[in-house]
Amino acid sequence: RKEVEQDPGPFNVPEGATVAFNCTYSNSASQSFFWYRQDCRKEPKLLMSVYSSGNEDGRFTAQLNRASQYISLLIRDSKLSDSATYLCVVLTGGGNKLTFGTGTQLKVEL
Amino acid sequence: EAGVAQSPRYKIIEKRQSVAFWCNPISGHATLYWYQQILGQGPKLLIQFQNNGVVDDSQLPKDRFSAERLKGVDSTLKIQPAKLEDSAVYLCASSSPQGRNEQFFGPGTRLTVL
Repeated sequence: RKEVEQDPGPFNVPEGATVAFNCTYSNSASQSFFWYRQDCRKEPKLLMSVYSSGNEDGRFTAQLNRASQYISLLIRDSKLSDSATYLCVVLTGGGNKLTFGTGTQLKVEL
Repeated sequence: EAGVAQSPRYKIIEKRQSVAFWCNPISGHATLYWYQQILGQGPKLLIQFQNNGVVDDSQLPKDRFSAERLKGVDSTLKIQPAKLEDSAVYLCASSSPQGRNEQFFGPGTRLTVL
């Protein structure tokens, strides 16, 4: 079983749609959780951290369910500029080691 | 603030040749990482440095890959000899203890092994 699993997509959605990505992780000792965004042929960049109580940043909402070892990202009112790959990332251990999922590709269309 | 710098941006070599990549992290960032990202996959950690010491190199194929960060700033990653399956983007990242575990990535080096 992979440490971090995501549906690779692609998710093709019309502009203005709401889309949700899911991610599961296998190590129950994982400490911190993140969503990174990676544009085509670019480097990954931090989108947002994921907190146990859930957190929101504009149109983006992240949720964590530790019991189910499940993380989600909700994007409301999708924009063309949201088209990218969204990487689910888990921090495990004391050495700041990040484990990345394979990423979910989102394509927002007119 | 300058970001993470990497060079070269692209490299094409034949199998069994050697290649080296260079990374300069964000100024003041003590932790430096090298990742391998194969097409269609997420980045995979190869090696992590804290200053000039190795923290984690458990996924580094040590028979052909080596990395160093002699003065605790710049780092080089070398592959010798290269195999076809080494074709990937090699990403360097850095972070600081005050950075909420956020890692800042460089633009990467795209390696093609023919």
